[in-house]
Amino acid sequence: DTGVSQDPRHKITKRGQNVTFRCDPISEHNRLYWYRQTLGQGPEFLTYFQNEAQLEKSRLLSDRFSAERPKGSFSTLEIQRTEQGDSAMYLCASSLDPPRPNYGYTFGSGTRLTVV
Amino acid sequence: GEDVEQSLFLSVREGDSSVINCTYTDSSSTYLYWYKQEPGAGLQLLTYIFSNMDMKQDQRLTVLLNKKDKHLSLRIADTQTGDSAIYFCAEETGGYNKLIFGAGTRLAVHP
Repeated sequence: DTGVSQDPRHKITKRGQNVTFRCDPISEHNRLYWYRQTLGQGPEFLTYFQNEAQLEKSRLLSDRFSAERPKGSFSTLEIQRTEQGDSAMYLCASSLDPPRPNYGYTFGSGTRLTVV
Repeated sequence: GEDVEQSLFLSVREGDSSVINCTYTDSSSTYLYWYKQEPGAGLQLLTYIFSNMDMKQDQRLTVLLNKKDKHLSLRIADTQTGDSAIYFCAEETGGYNKLIFGAGTRLAVHP
């Protein structure tokens, strides 16, 4: 297993379009997290899954955002009607359940979204 | 509430020690983490400390935790140019165990 994979690495879209990102976690990790990171800021928590169940959503996750993890493996994050303020790096992380501190939460390299 | 604060910038000379400070708010935090992010790269776990510990040493890294003041620090001994990066402090909140990050401290190492 090569770690957490995210696809695509970069996405440029026009305002108003829908975009979907994919995250493949480490295979034995039950938990999957989505974070958003804007320039000069730390990652902000968006949502997390335990297997296929979405257990928590941040108030940052507006109605235009939806995340799924249908079979408890990969996850998708969709943003509908994108706005310029959605431009950010979207990070996915996975962990064991519960997280083991020596392994931490393993992050992917992220998907950089630019809304023009 | 959940909030993590860090100073934004630190400049040190190569070979000196660096100390990056962090404060957090959630007294129920179980573990506290330090992550490193280099330009264009993802977050790399550096080290962590359990909330019941005061200190943890890992090679050049020393983590100090003052639980009463909710203050965490990361000391890097013999800082090298390769240590130049952004360092994030993160608290693992109680309950569902998610990470809450600070804004990051940019460490610049100069000759």
